[in-house]
Amino acid sequence: DIQMTQSPSSLSASVGDRVTITCRASQSISSYLNWYQQKPGKAPKVLIYAAFSLQSGVPSRFSGSGSGTDFTLTISSLQPEDFATYYCQQSYSTPYTFGQGTKLEIK
Amino acid sequence: EVQLVESGGGLVQPGGSLRLSCAASGFTLNYYNMNWVRQAPGKGLEWVSYISISSSTIYYADSVKGRFTISRDNAKNSLYLQMNSLRDEDTAVYYCARVSSAWYELDYWGQGTLVTVSS
Repeated sequence: DIQMTQSPSSLSASVGDRVTITCRASQSISSYLNWYQQKPGKAPKVLIYAAFSLQSGVPSRFSGSGSGTDFTLTISSLQPEDFATYYCQQSYSTPYTFGQGTKLEIK
Repeated sequence: EVQLVESGGGLVQPGGSLRLSCAASGFTLNYYNMNWVRQAPGKGLEWVSYISISSSTIYYADSVKGRFTISRDNAKNSLYLQMNSLRDEDTAVYYCARVSSAWYELDYWGQGTLVTVSS
């Protein structure tokens, strides 16, 4: 199985900050990497698919990069509604494993 | 509007069974591959199962293989998860989710249904 490791596990930041979350796969997954945002009590929402493609309707302050084993999610200027938990997921092969999550909190 | 609505969750004893349903509306289910994903209380997301449009391709996580069965009825626009031999560690919110494209990202999710396995 492909293991997905996110870092950091938690992060404190302020509105307006630039934030980067990383995700590392235990083997190459090409660009089959998706990013989700989840708020408490809600279902996850896809932000980025295929490593860098912005899902329709998602603000352009979100961006993704990487290929192979190393990926990043960047939020260019944090907004109050961005404080949530973020997960990466590989869709290269089953089981379609998720990272353990990064909880983004207000500083 | 695309909607996925799960039902069938509840409290069940260890060793028991439940059948979850996911009703799709606002789109035609038989054009999309589908998944079940779960989340234990306070924990991260765990992919559970995948089913292709025609049900010809099905995958399971090792943690549920042999105990859970995914199925679909495209005529009823519905997805199912039959869960047998339930264990404490199956306690979670179960989400159905639609596969969007060839990159297999999950673009629409239901609100989830809680399954609690406890004596």
